[in-house]
Amino acid sequence: SAVISQKPSRDICQRGTSLTIQCQVDSQVTMMFWYRQQPGQSLTLIATANQGSEATYESGFVIDKFPISRPNLTFSTLTVSNMSPEDSSIYLCSVEWGRGYEQYFGPGTRLTVT
Amino acid sequence: AQSVAQPEDQVNVAEGNPLTVKCTYSVSGNPYLFWYVQYPNRGLQFLLKYITGDNLVKGSYGFEAEFNKSQTSFHLKKPSALVSDSALYFCAVSALGGGATNKLIFGTGTLLAVQP
Repeated sequence: SAVISQKPSRDICQRGTSLTIQCQVDSQVTMMFWYRQQPGQSLTLIATANQGSEATYESGFVIDKFPISRPNLTFSTLTVSNMSPEDSSIYLCSVEWGRGYEQYFGPGTRLTVT
Repeated sequence: AQSVAQPEDQVNVAEGNPLTVKCTYSVSGNPYLFWYVQYPNRGLQFLLKYITGDNLVKGSYGFEAEFNKSQTSFHLKKPSALVSDSALYFCAVSALGGGATNKLIFGTGTLLAVQP
C-alpha cells in the first residue's frame, strides 16, 4: 500500500484566514481524494483530484472555498479559505491504490477555527 | 442514490467474546464494500473489502466480513474480541464519481468498546 503524509498535522486558525493542507504520497497515483470529518461525524468527500485536470467537487463544496491543486502524481494541496468555526474538522486525503478500489488515507489534519 | 447504514452507534462486548458490527447498503449495480477502522487521533486504516467472489472475506487483525446480497448486508465479525480492538469502525460503499472513478460513501460509524 501507499504511504501518505499530511502537513500540518493540526492547526488553530482565526476566522477569516486560510490554511493550505499538503498531502504527499510515496508512489505515483492517478486519483487523490479529499474528505472532511466533522467532530463526531462520518467522512464526507469534498472533491476528487486528478493530476492535470480540474478537481471535481461534491455537492455542497465549491472551488472558491476549497481550492485544490494537483501539480504532479505524488502531491496535492487543499486550501480552506475564509475560515469560520464551522470549518473545524479533520481533513483527510486518500489515494486509490492499484485497481483494488480500496483507498488508503493519510493521518489527517485537525483544524480548529476560533 | 448509494448509501450505507450502520444501525448501532456503539457495540459493547467482553474480551474473548465474538463481535459483530452491522452494516447494510443500498447501491445500484454490484456493490464494492469496505470496512475501515479509526483509532483515536489516527487516520483511517483499511481492514477488508468485498468486490466479487466468496461471500466471506478475511482481513487484517483477524477480522472478517460476510457479504449477503439478499439482505444487502456486510457485517464485520471477529471470533474473539481484544481490548485493543476498541475503536471506531466505518463501513463504506464505492460509487461512481467524477471522472468515472469510484468514490467512497461512508456510514456513520460504530464505536466498538471491548471490556476486559
